[in-house]
Amino acid sequence: NAGVMQNPRHLVRRRGQEARLRCSPMKGHSHVYWYRQLPEEGLKFMVYLQKENIIDESGMPKERFSAEFPKEGPSILRIQQVVRGDSAAYFCASSAGSPGNTIYFGEGSWLTVV
Amino acid sequence: DQQVKQNSPSLSVQEGRISILNCDYTNSMFDYFLWYKKYPAEGPTFLISISSIKDKNEDGRFTVFLNKSAKHLSLHIVPSQPGDSAVYFCAATGSNYKLTFGKGTLLTVNP
Repeated sequence: NAGVMQNPRHLVRRRGQEARLRCSPMKGHSHVYWYRQLPEEGLKFMVYLQKENIIDESGMPKERFSAEFPKEGPSILRIQQVVRGDSAAYFCASSAGSPGNTIYFGEGSWLTVV
Repeated sequence: DQQVKQNSPSLSVQEGRISILNCDYTNSMFDYFLWYKKYPAEGPTFLISISSIKDKNEDGRFTVFLNKSAKHLSLHIVPSQPGDSAVYFCAATGSNYKLTFGKGTLLTVNP
């Protein structure tokens, strides 16, 4: 896990507020992925980004969720108008992107919506 | 529709014995399989992987076996140690980036 940095580790938001989760990939990695883990479930793919590009967002809910990976700075997963069902662990991962490269995960950000 | 299934939610093993964690998949497009270990409140840690062109991959105490015809893979840990106690996730991909995870198996290794 060392190298993929996520913050905040824990975030509490009231219903209707916005949550912003940040992720800095491992050094040398230019591919970032976001996964979500709901209670009692496995991790579910949300979105795959490269610098300034969203490659695959097929796992993102259609509304309120967005992700970016700007040219400078960390990747951001943004959840607008949070609801209780958004409470989950959000994991960022990164890879070098070449075929066969392993995907390494960060420590996760735990979002609690009250 | 669960494409990756870990049918045993939990497994308890004595220290020093073999732990065998199983995983089944349904999508024949999957060609790369990974095992991750996860402690509570931490992110998944990569353990070992296997490509569909192989049927076995070994790394120290960890060995992964792949049976493509049965769409089944297993992770063997020998000998098991108390520090191995964690949730183990099987994951599969056909695109080399979008991992599909099972729900995990909680392994408890008793001293």
